[in-house]
Amino acid sequence: GAVVSQHPSRVICKSGTSVKIECRSLDFQATTMFWYRQFPKQSLMLMATSNEGSKATYEQGVEKDKFLINHASLTLSTLTVTSAHPEDSSFYICSAPGQRTDTQYFGPGTRLTVL
Amino acid sequence: QKEVEQNSGPLSVPEGAIASLNCTYSDRVSQSFFWYRQYSGKSPELIMSIYSNGDKEDGRFTAQLNKASQYVSLLIRDSQPSDSATYLCAVNYNFNKFYFGSGTKLNVKP
Repeated sequence: GAVVSQHPSRVICKSGTSVKIECRSLDFQATTMFWYRQFPKQSLMLMATSNEGSKATYEQGVEKDKFLINHASLTLSTLTVTSAHPEDSSFYICSAPGQRTDTQYFGPGTRLTVL
Repeated sequence: QKEVEQNSGPLSVPEGAIASLNCTYSDRVSQSFFWYRQYSGKSPELIMSIYSNGDKEDGRFTAQLNKASQYVSLLIRDSQPSDSATYLCAVNYNFNKFYFGSGTKLNVKP
C-alpha cells in the first residue's frame, strides 16, 4: 500500500522557537494532504488541508499565522509551528488521500514537546 | 459543526467474547464511514470502511451502518488481547475531509 512518512518522529523544543514537520508521500503523488493534531486521550482534530501550489485551507479556530503550511511539491507538505508554546505540545499526524477518493494514508506522526 | 460521537469507554471484554463499538454522526450527507484502530503513540490504521446500509464483514470484524439512524457500529468477534486499543470512528464528509470521534478504548482481558 501507499506509504506516507513524517520527519521528525519526535521533537523537543524550547518555548518561543519554531518547529518544522515534514510529511512525504513516498510512492505516490498527493496534490492534497491533511494535518491533524491529537492531544492525549483525545481524538484526531483536522487542522488544515494542504494544497499543492496554493494556500492551505484551515479549519475553524486554527491560527493560520501560527501553523504555517507549505505544499511545495506533489510529494511534500510541511507544517511549521511558529513561536511554539507548551500548549502546542501534541501529536501531529499528516495524511494523504489515495487513488480512491475516500481512502487516507496516515503518516506515523510527530510527537512535539514544547518546554 | 460536524460531530462524530463515541463512548470513550473503557470497554472491557473477556478474551473470546464479542466487542461492540458504537458511533453516531450528525451530518446526513455523509457518505463514507470508517473504523480505525490506534495503539498508544501510533497513528491510526484502517480496519474497515462501509458505504451502504447493512452489514459488512471482514474476518473477525463486522461493520454495521444505518444511515436513517445516523449510526455506525463495529463488532469484533473472538476478541483477542491484541485487539486492545482505541477504536476511532471516522466520517468522510467531502473532499476527503475526515472527522473523527473521540475514540473508544477497548480492553480485552486474557
